[in-house]
Amino acid sequence: GQQVMQIPQYQHVQEGEDFTTYCNSSTTLSNIQWYKQRPGGHPVFLIQLVKSGEVKKQKRLTFQFGEAKKNSSLHITATQTTDVGTYFCAEGGGGGFKTIFGAGTRLFVKA
Amino acid sequence: DSGVTQTPKHLITATGQRVTLRCSPRSGDLSVYWYQQSLDQGLQFLIQYYNGEERAKGNILERFSAQQFPDLHSELNLSSLELGDSALYFCASSVVGGAGELFFGEGSRLTVL
Repeated sequence: GQQVMQIPQYQHVQEGEDFTTYCNSSTTLSNIQWYKQRPGGHPVFLIQLVKSGEVKKQKRLTFQFGEAKKNSSLHITATQTTDVGTYFCAEGGGGGFKTIFGAGTRLFVKA
Repeated sequence: DSGVTQTPKHLITATGQRVTLRCSPRSGDLSVYWYQQSLDQGLQFLIQYYNGEERAKGNILERFSAQQFPDLHSELNLSSLELGDSALYFCASSVVGGAGELFFGEGSRLTVL
């Protein structure tokens, strides 16, 4: 069945350092979505990528979708304490299909 | 505020009991999804409904069932509860014909003692 693998499971960084989480699939993904869950909160949608090789930026966050549409990455430049939380990738199923999440990468930022 | 409402926010019950979790999707969203998140774990997909009909099923236990009503709210029923069922249960909804973005409720935290 559908499965997206996400690494690393945890990442500790010093404030100001960069952070990257990776999402991989053995099959071609129709799209890739990224969500952020703050500690004690609920997942919040960040972005969706659909096209092969697509790159999107949101301030310090850069999202990439691989050329083969089998992998994706989220890169945060110069982390801040507000970046703490768990970042999940997911293959979005749209209105009629299930959305399967990766295991998530939990980011800890030390001030 | 995502617009998805879940009740109750917290629930404490005993093993063997049955509980019902309720979800009201965002206005206009026909799809409702249920996810289970155990302590510091990922989001396990349970089941999805679209306009009242079951559309996709994940690793949902036979002791669990769900339905979506004509007014589009959904309920997740958990029976014969075990200690391992303690978790955060999230409901999410999505826009029909949209990008597939899921809007999550704040979750219902179930503790089974």
